[in-house]
Amino acid sequence: SQQGEEDPQALSIQEGENATMNCSYKTSINNLQWYRQNSGRGLVHLILIRSNEREKHSGRLRVTLDTSKKSSSLLITASRAADTASYFCATGLSYNTDKLIFGTGTRLQVFP
Amino acid sequence: ETGVTQTPRHLVMGMTNKKSLKCEQHLGHNAMYWYKQSAKKPLELMFVYSLEERVENNSVPSRFSPECPNSSHLFLHLHTLQPEDSALYLCASSQERLLSGNTIYFGEGSWLTVV
Repeated sequence: SQQGEEDPQALSIQEGENATMNCSYKTSINNLQWYRQNSGRGLVHLILIRSNEREKHSGRLRVTLDTSKKSSSLLITASRAADTASYFCATGLSYNTDKLIFGTGTRLQVFP
Repeated sequence: ETGVTQTPRHLVMGMTNKKSLKCEQHLGHNAMYWYKQSAKKPLELMFVYSLEERVENNSVPSRFSPECPNSSHLFLHLHTLQPEDSALYLCASSQERLLSGNTIYFGEGSWLTVV
């Protein structure tokens, strides 16, 4: 099984609604990051949360981290059609600083 | 524009061909990476270079051969590939090796199709 797994695998919502994506991981981490990927393009970094932080905000993004449950969530508020993309969580492992382990992603579709 | 440029964007090659993917970063970073992205699979880390020295090789088949001539350039040499090697190959860079707090900057990727 994988270090990072996102849930749900796919999410469809209307513009203006909020979108919540979850990520679970298995081993101890230094930090957890969220990335976005438009279809067929490279990944773009959205936000990083360190293992000693519980919540972080960036514009319409809100990320939470619960290290006791080994889980994180990404909330996108007031979604727009332009938010349509795949979203990945990536964990920086505390025992191997050269690896950033990505999950399989959540595909978000926002309908106008 | 992320500051990481990959060429070519698309490549079709036969199983007996030899080709190379090129990556250049304009960010002054010291670490560079190759990732492979296949359908419905997590991103797979292939190689890590730090200050032009390979520091990580995740058991990648020898038909993939990386080269890092300087801290701004990274190549992935391809030879005798298999159809299952068809994927999106992503180059990335970071300020330093992935110590806590570093983020990765990705290129747009090279779509590889092996026929």
